[in-house]
Amino acid sequence: QGVVTQEPSLTVSPGGTVTLTCGSSTGPVTSTHYPYWFQQKPGQAPRTLIYDTSDRQSWAPARFSGSLLGGKATLTLSGAQPEDEADYYCLLSYPAVRLVVFGGGTKLTVL
Amino acid sequence: EVQLVESGGGLVKPGGSLRLSCVASGFSFTNAWMSWVRQAPGKGLEWVGRIKNKREGGRIDYAAPVKGRFIISRDDSQNTLYLQMNSLKTEDTAVYYCAHFYYGMDVWGQGTTVNVSS
Repeated sequence: QGVVTQEPSLTVSPGGTVTLTCGSSTGPVTSTHYPYWFQQKPGQAPRTLIYDTSDRQSWAPARFSGSLLGGKATLTLSGAQPEDEADYYCLLSYPAVRLVVFGGGTKLTVL
Repeated sequence: EVQLVESGGGLVKPGGSLRLSCVASGFSFTNAWMSWVRQAPGKGLEWVGRIKNKREGGRIDYAAPVKGRFIISRDDSQNTLYLQMNSLKTEDTAVYYCAHFYYGMDVWGQGTTVNVSS
């Protein structure tokens, strides 16, 4: 089973760009990990932002995008808005061992 | 309206049992892969387990901390997902969410709180 790593916290200026990363202790993250990204705001249930590496949910603004880069899954926010301040979690699947693991989450501050 | 509604949370002593339910509406529950996710107070999300649809074999997978203690099941005739939690530990204290986020879906319940304490 892998340990999934994320930056504990990041800060971005309004209108700025930030990239969140999601790594796996077992090796490079690939499309076969089916990376997901979730957004959670205080007191609310999570919402799915990105699934299967780069497919954006219908509700998610186009300023969010997902990809693979440098052996990690990435979530890029281009043109940050105050309402994007939230916790972001990645999720990786390990089909060979029938496990799914969340990362520890990144607290994103827009300031 | 597409929604999931959990129930069954509460206060239970260590070693006790509890069964959570999650009723689905507004989407094809029969075809859904359903998941349980929990969040301890002030902590991040933790995957608990998942049950696939019967058409794809109905396989059930569990996270290591709950394997052998928790049982996930589904009743497609009632559009209901269950989580039977046995031998509960204080570290199982969390908000438990049911969710359907596979195949491009994004449906989460409001969460139900489980408090394991003596």
